[in-house]
Amino acid sequence: QSVLTQPPSVSGAPGQRVTISCTGSSSNIGANYDVHWYQQFPGRAPKLLVYGSTSRPSGVPDRFSGSRSGTSASLAITGLQTEDEADYYCQSFDSSLSTYVFGVGTKVTVL
Amino acid sequence: QVRLQEWGAGLLKPSETLSLTCSVYGGSFSSYFWNWIRQPPGKGLEWIGETDHTGSTNYNPSIESRATISVDKSKNQFSVKLKSVTAADTAVYYCARGRRLWGVRMYNWFDPWGQGTRVTVSS
Repeated sequence: QSVLTQPPSVSGAPGQRVTISCTGSSSNIGANYDVHWYQQFPGRAPKLLVYGSTSRPSGVPDRFSGSRSGTSASLAITGLQTEDEADYYCQSFDSSLSTYVFGVGTKVTVL
Repeated sequence: QVRLQEWGAGLLKPSETLSLTCSVYGGSFSSYFWNWIRQPPGKGLEWIGETDHTGSTNYNPSIESRATISVDKSKNQFSVKLKSVTAADTAVYYCARGRRLWGVRMYNWFDPWGQGTRVTVSS
């Protein structure tokens, strides 16, 4: 069981907006530690999508955006496209466990 | 452009020692922390540990007693050994570069990642 909770799946039609939540606690996100997001296609390595809670690496479309508030963070995908079907993981640091922690992952399905 | 490539034995028997190496191509080796992360089949990601070019390490407490991460800066390589493996250690193992805001560990993210190498533990 991960210390960062994500919904197992979210879905949306092409063009729609979907959000993925990442809920933590006072020892990770609530401690003001940044949240980072990764996209993973089946059989492939994860790829950085958002770092520092809100920043996008170069090359990542601006359809992807991150936010953080309190003990939670969110990844929003606007203008959903079929190529966005993938698993998405959040990541932060937990001071109680003294380790980097990942969410369990959320599968995005484009209807 | 930085590229990472893992390699090592892919099939182990229970109680054996897992040994993997990651080569780093391009970019600065001495400016970052270098990480091992694993993903059991159909499951999520688990951070194993990290090292810098001096050999300074940090580990996930859940696996620290069995894991050793070492570095060979002359070859821009770092390695992980995991002793006394069981079926629960079956996973895809990734190496990844750690990047930190203000050089602070609490603000670390992973980019880029290697392609991953599959390790199976079976008798």
